Amino acid sequence: DGGITQSPKYLFRKEGQNVTLSCEQNLNHDAMYWYRQDPGQGLRLIYYSQIVNDFQKGDIAEGYSVSREKKESFPLTVTSAQKNPTAFYLCASMDRAVYNEQFFGPGTRLTVL
Amino acid sequence: GEDVEQSLFLSVREGDSSVINCTYTDSSSTYLYWYKQEPGAGLQLLTYIFSNMDMKQDQRLTVLLNKKDKHLSLRIADTQTGDSAIYFCAESANTGFQKLVFGTGTRLLVSP
Repeated sequence: DGGITQSPKYLFRKEGQNVTLSCEQNLNHDAMYWYRQDPGQGLRLIYYSQIVNDFQKGDIAEGYSVSREKKESFPLTVTSAQKNPTAFYLCASMDRAVYNEQFFGPGTRLTVL
Repeated sequence: GEDVEQSLFLSVREGDSSVINCTYTDSSSTYLYWYKQEPGAGLQLLTYIFSNMDMKQDQRLTVLLNKKDKHLSLRIADTQTGDSAIYFCAESANTGFQKLVFGTGTRLLVSP
């Protein structure tokens, strides 16, 4: 089955620690995205990548970093510089040739203790 | 700038129709979308409408687009308890890549 997987589903982190969220897709999509979701708010774009070895900052990139070394993988690191990292993180991918759908993973809930 | 607004909450009884409304600001949007999110899960695309259409129907779902007023609505006929979820409206921003701008989401509660 084709799709997007995110791991882990739940993640707990102590303040001051970096943590990396995994996102993998086997849809052969070029573009991948990371969003952050807070209660009562829509999704906000953190980073996006249109092609391997290239990525761009979204609206709220401060305190986050990404890499795109492989087409199928787009990990997100939440650094200690992110002041309020507790949130639900969603990864998505899209076929650049078909501009009508982003496919979403199941999400990772990060809690900072 | 881009902004998408939705009411936060809607409650209906099973079997009734639900209408979820959305307003957006970017008149150059190419596509407008409705996504559904069940508790603790990712988003699932329900339907989308191209900006040159007024209406799109897909089984129990009807999307209406009023470009003049920048208003989008999603009507769910014969609403079921399984339709309880958060519904997000999104527009595709007119940038060099497909950026989606999401509304705050409307939580639909369907009671028996």
